[in-house]
Amino acid sequence: AQSVTQLDSHVSVSEGTPVLLRCNYSSSYSPSLFWYVQHPNKGLQLLLKYTSAATLVKGINGFEAEFKKSETSFHLTKPSAHMSDAAEYFCVVRAQGDGFKTIFGAGTRLFVKA
Amino acid sequence: GAVVSQHPSWVICKSGTSVKIECRSLDFQATTMFWYRQFPKQSLMLMATSNEGSKATYEQGVEKDKFLINHASLTLSTLTVTSAHPEDSSFYICSASTPANYGYTFGSGTRLTVV
Repeated sequence: AQSVTQLDSHVSVSEGTPVLLRCNYSSSYSPSLFWYVQHPNKGLQLLLKYTSAATLVKGINGFEAEFKKSETSFHLTKPSAHMSDAAEYFCVVRAQGDGFKTIFGAGTRLFVKA
Repeated sequence: GAVVSQHPSWVICKSGTSVKIECRSLDFQATTMFWYRQFPKQSLMLMATSNEGSKATYEQGVEKDKFLINHASLTLSTLTVTSAHPEDSSFYICSASTPANYGYTFGSGTRLTVV
């Protein structure tokens, strides 16, 4: 069985300050982990993914995430927030051993203040 | 590469009618497709998994007779909401998968409003 927990329902930062969106997972298999962003009334865009290669994963728009097996975490970070980063972010876990079933976190709404 | 096209992007229909949503993989063959539903300000809920050439597997609580899924080819899956009611209004998103990319390619979503 798999699960994913996004620890914050919403995060508010000022423009130019760092962003941290937290995600913990649970999986009986070796998981693949993903972060997606969703702007209002839009589909999902893949930010980055971890699939058992390098534990520090760099994605688009300056985002990166580090897979920490000992902590079962996959937190998303960005050094400097931009107004256009304001959106909903989803942490996702998927494992081949579970028929590629995709489990979404509840989402974290990121607010960016000018 | 790995583009998924979902159509229509939005649809308004009358209560009691049926609506079909298409999900196409444009540049790859999708052996497995997933259909999700998203309520306002909530996460995505997996509705069903469809495998090309076989019946879809529905998640618990999803009515298979109401949400008909057909995956007749490696590039097309359709979701038909039958006898739609206002409570079916939602954002529906598909994801197309092959074992190589583990299904991380999503369509742009369909906003369904039943009036």
